[in-house]
Amino acid sequence: EDQVTQSPEALRLQEGESSSLNCSYTVSGLRGLFWYRQDPGKGPEFLFTLYSAGEEKEKERLKATLTKKESFLHITAPKPEDSATYLCAGGPFGNEKLTFGTGTRLTIIP
Amino acid sequence: GAVVSQHPSRVICKSGTSVKIECRSLDFQATTMFWYRQFPKQSLMLMATSNEGSKATYEQGVEKDKFLINHASLTLSTLTVTSAHPEDSSFYICSAGHRGPGNEQYFGPGTRLTVT
Repeated sequence: EDQVTQSPEALRLQEGESSSLNCSYTVSGLRGLFWYRQDPGKGPEFLFTLYSAGEEKEKERLKATLTKKESFLHITAPKPEDSATYLCAGGPFGNEKLTFGTGTRLTIIP
Repeated sequence: GAVVSQHPSRVICKSGTSVKIECRSLDFQATTMFWYRQFPKQSLMLMATSNEGSKATYEQGVEKDKFLINHASLTLSTLTVTSAHPEDSSFYICSAGHRGPGNEQYFGPGTRLTVT
């Protein structure tokens, strides 16, 4: 059974304090590892897709990396507007369904 | 690009009535759409996969007769909650599969359903 586990469950950082969120996965024949951002009361917003181990993608203060077993979302010098829940999900080849992790609730304190 | 809309954003209905939620992909065609349910401070729970022109595939434990899904066109899927009860109150989110290299899913803004 495909499984995606995120840690920590919640993370509080001071503004400017860099850190990383972890997503470990066991997905048969991974076609892609996806990162989303979700604000309270809204649908998830697509951030990145990573396809193969060693791949990295960046967007503003966020950088996502992928190994054969896990993915990291690195947040550099975060700002309060980066506060949100970050979700990762994995999808196998031949199936469009995604398995989601439970998310990391990130709070950036001014 | 890759914008998905949902309507309504909020709905309050009385117990025993039915509610229809629409999900539209605005700038791309989606042969596959997905319906999720999300409880407070929990992750997304996939309810069903909707394929254009065919019957939806429901996840285990989801009642087909209660949650009716129709995917009549490449840009529109609807979820009807029939004979709603207070326990159906939740945040319902749809997503549309985008035919890119990774088949990313793009999500709508969600619909908050409250059954009184």
